[in-house]
Amino acid sequence: EVQLVESGGGLVRPGGSLRLSCAASGFAFTSYWMNWVRQAPGKGLEWLANINKDGSAQFYVDSVKGRFTISRDNAKNSLYLQMNSLRAEDTAVYYCARGAYFDNWGQGALVTISS
Amino acid sequence: DAVLTQSPLSLSVTPGQPASISCRSSQSVVHIDGNTYLNWFQQRPGQSPRRLIHEVSNRDSGVPDRFSGSGSGTDFTLKISRVEAEDVGVYYCMQGSKWPPTFGGGTKVEIK
Repeated sequence: EVQLVESGGGLVRPGGSLRLSCAASGFAFTSYWMNWVRQAPGKGLEWLANINKDGSAQFYVDSVKGRFTISRDNAKNSLYLQMNSLRAEDTAVYYCARGAYFDNWGQGALVTISS
Repeated sequence: DAVLTQSPLSLSVTPGQPASISCRSSQSVVHIDGNTYLNWFQQRPGQSPRRLIHEVSNRDSGVPDRFSGSGSGTDFTLKISRVEAEDVGVYYCMQGSKWPPTFGGGTKVEIK
């Protein structure tokens, strides 16, 4: 069974940093691109970033470019999102999603940016 | 960016009746490879999104056949032939054909 489990969410002050993790199991992690998608409270879905199979290429939506960094450790079957210079508008549930076609999603990690 | 506009924003449906959700793109979402990477997702209350339909009309494993997708180019539709109580939630279209991937704003389905 495909499983994606996010962790690392929490409360952070504006300007702070946080690193999210996504532990993958039940499939060949190295065979898939991976994505981060977020959902602000009561709002819709926003794609943030993705990374290719070997981690050599990363792509970002403009709103997080330069602040967020996606990475992966294929030996650990794990995906990461390093988030710096956090703002109130980054408050959201952050999901990892599998592949170019988003066929499996984790349960999400809540990130709250507040002073 | 390909902006996806869903309508209606919400709909209230009597169980057993049909429902239809429209997703219109600001530009064609046909990929250069000729495929159309238009997906539909269901998000039940308190849950993460679940993909229902991929590439316009292909139902994912375990998705009831009362769900169907259709369309081409810029206009797409998700239909539920007979709504059931478990179909309550928000439905999103999403395109992966043009950079960056984008989602529609969502359509909330409620039961009367």
